[in-house]
Amino acid sequence: AQSVTQLGSHVSVSEGALVLLRCNYSSSVPPYLFWYVQYPNQGLQLLLKYTSAATLVKGINGFEAEFKKSETSFHLTKPSAHMSDAAEYFCAVSPNTGFQKLVFGTGTRLLVSP
Amino acid sequence: GAGVSQSPSNKVTEKGKDVELRCDPISGHTALYWYRQSLGQGLEFLIYFQGNSAPDKSGLPSDRFSAERTGGSVSTLTIQRTQQEDSAVYLCASSTEGANEKLFFGSGTQLSVL
Repeated sequence: AQSVTQLGSHVSVSEGALVLLRCNYSSSVPPYLFWYVQYPNQGLQLLLKYTSAATLVKGINGFEAEFKKSETSFHLTKPSAHMSDAAEYFCAVSPNTGFQKLVFGTGTRLLVSP
Repeated sequence: GAGVSQSPSNKVTEKGKDVELRCDPISGHTALYWYRQSLGQGLEFLIYFQGNSAPDKSGLPSDRFSAERTGGSVSTLTIQRTQQEDSAVYLCASSTEGANEKLFFGSGTQLSVL
């Protein structure tokens, strides 16, 4: 079975500071990993995904994530936070075989202060 | 339509009543998911349809919950004898075949059980 754990339900940063949102996964087979973002009053949208190609994945709006098998992690980072990055971020995992459901973490709300 | 459409956007019902939530996926998408989003609970997987395969119902919380997908397109999630703990946002998502394909989410149905 697959699962993800997101450490920290809320993360607060100042505008211009580094953003680091943590995600650890558990999977019995090689995983596909995703980050989705939910802006206030909007639906979820894909930020980036890892599908066993490059371990460093670049997404939209300057975000990137690195797949580290040894640490079973897929942390999301952005060098410099912007006010518009304030949103809820969800990490998700699915096995890379067949057509399987996507399992989400509980989410991390990013707060950005001026 | 261009995106995943869910109706109604809001539903208020009395405890013990049955409700039906509708999802129109993106045309041509063979995979359809239902998730439930509650405060502090992240996205809880409910059920997953993929083409003509038997649906993965492993996330349905009780036998009061059921879902159908007719003709490989529209899906209806039915909750019988609603309880207050059923109050949440119910999200539908669709995708093309493949475990690495991104999900396109609808705006959700906010269900409030009084």
